[in-house]
Amino acid sequence: QVHLVQSGTEVRKPGASVKVSCQSSGYTFIKYGVGWVRQAPGQGLEWMGWISGHNGDTEYAQRLQDRVTLTTDTSTSTAFLEVRTLTVDDTAIYYCTRGPPFRTATSPPDYWGQGTLVIVSS
Amino acid sequence: QLVLTQSPSVTASLGASVKVTCTLSRGYSSYPVAWHRLQPEKGPRYLMKLYPDGGHKKGDGIPDRFSGSASGTERSLIISSLQSEDEGDYYCQTWDTGTHWVFGGGTKLTVL
Repeated sequence: QVHLVQSGTEVRKPGASVKVSCQSSGYTFIKYGVGWVRQAPGQGLEWMGWISGHNGDTEYAQRLQDRVTLTTDTSTSTAFLEVRTLTVDDTAIYYCTRGPPFRTATSPPDYWGQGTLVIVSS
Repeated sequence: QLVLTQSPSVTASLGASVKVTCTLSRGYSSYPVAWHRLQPEKGPRYLMKLYPDGGHKKGDGIPDRFSGSASGTERSLIISSLQSEDEGDYYCQTWDTGTHWVFGGGTKLTVL
């Protein structure tokens, strides 16, 4: 079966950075991409970005692109999300999802990780 | 601007059917949507991709009780024979320029 397993809860102070990992199994990593979505407390879902497992192409949400970097390690089928210059507004559950392999594909995010809680507090 | 609009909440009785609706902004009637469910302690789950003609492709293991319908800019998730385990937050999602995903605000389903 397809599984996306994320790293555990992180607590950071404002201004710090955080890196969340998402290890995939049960499918060929380079045939798909990984999308990242977050949910702040009491809020809806916000798309953050996408990375191709095939060629490393990336797309970022415009309002986050200066602070977010997506990477992959194809040798371990793992995707990474780094968020820099954290503020309290970045407190959220961060989810990775299995997404399309190419920029123009409209296949849905069909598997989700369990989520990683990131708490930003002074 | 591409916006997905959902009602904040819906309530239905055990064993009944419910329709959860997502409305695309004007001019986007040709867009498909996907439906996802978030449940506490269970995490998110992809339910289906719903096309403008009402056709849909469900995710792995999604029961036959889940179906979809579409008309104009409306995309609806229909759940029949409601069970208590169907409670959760339902989100529609679509694609703005390929891999840019747009989410609706979510609908909280309560089963009485």
